[in-house]
Amino acid sequence: DAGITQSPRHKVTETGTPVTLRCHQTENHRYMYWYRQDPGHGLRLIHYSYGVKDTDKGEVSDGYSVSRSKTEDFLLTLESATSSQTSVYFCAIGTGGGGDEKLFFGSGTQLSVL
Amino acid sequence: AQSVTQLDSQVPVFEEAPVELRCNYSSSVSVYLFWYVQYPNQGLQLLLKYLSGSTLVKGINGFEAEFNKSQTSFHLRKPSVHISDTAEYFCAVTGFQKLVFGTGTRLLVSP
Repeated sequence: DAGITQSPRHKVTETGTPVTLRCHQTENHRYMYWYRQDPGHGLRLIHYSYGVKDTDKGEVSDGYSVSRSKTEDFLLTLESATSSQTSVYFCAIGTGGGGDEKLFFGSGTQLSVL
Repeated sequence: AQSVTQLDSQVPVFEEAPVELRCNYSSSVSVYLFWYVQYPNQGLQLLLKYLSGSTLVKGINGFEAEFNKSQTSFHLRKPSVHISDTAEYFCAVTGFQKLVFGTGTRLLVSP
């Protein structure tokens, strides 16, 4: 298995609180991604990174921010959590930006916002 | 922009029967297409991918998919399914620097 660790694996929080999810890789891959998975929507891209301090928005980026200060770590922050952000969050890594290479996924973080 | 449509949200099938999971894509440029599988409580794993060349692509666990440019489809098939194939399957297409996923098809294999 590719070396991807997501933390925490489960999180329950209250509306309005900030939350940070961490993705850590040991593969030295250039690209890192944050997706959320919701029933009926599949996986939707939140943000992605193509290098240290290089990030860009995905299709559902509102309410989320990211940071990548080191190759191995990609943080996803919910500035002020809302119930609509209750979801399963997946981190993924890849070498070539989603072109002809495959992505490796973490095991996911189940986030519940009450 | 690239997108994929998975026409079936759920496909029930009996063990040892054949199955086809449908995927149609939309893209204005040449595409790379993928099928990923998600087993319960796990992340996604790559089943197979189409980049170029032969339109019939073979993947892991006996799955294969056929790229059909005229019908803009990339359907996934398996001639005989097992209980262990019960999972959610996602079709995906390459977008600029990222993959765009479909909404998923849940394959339910019963004895």
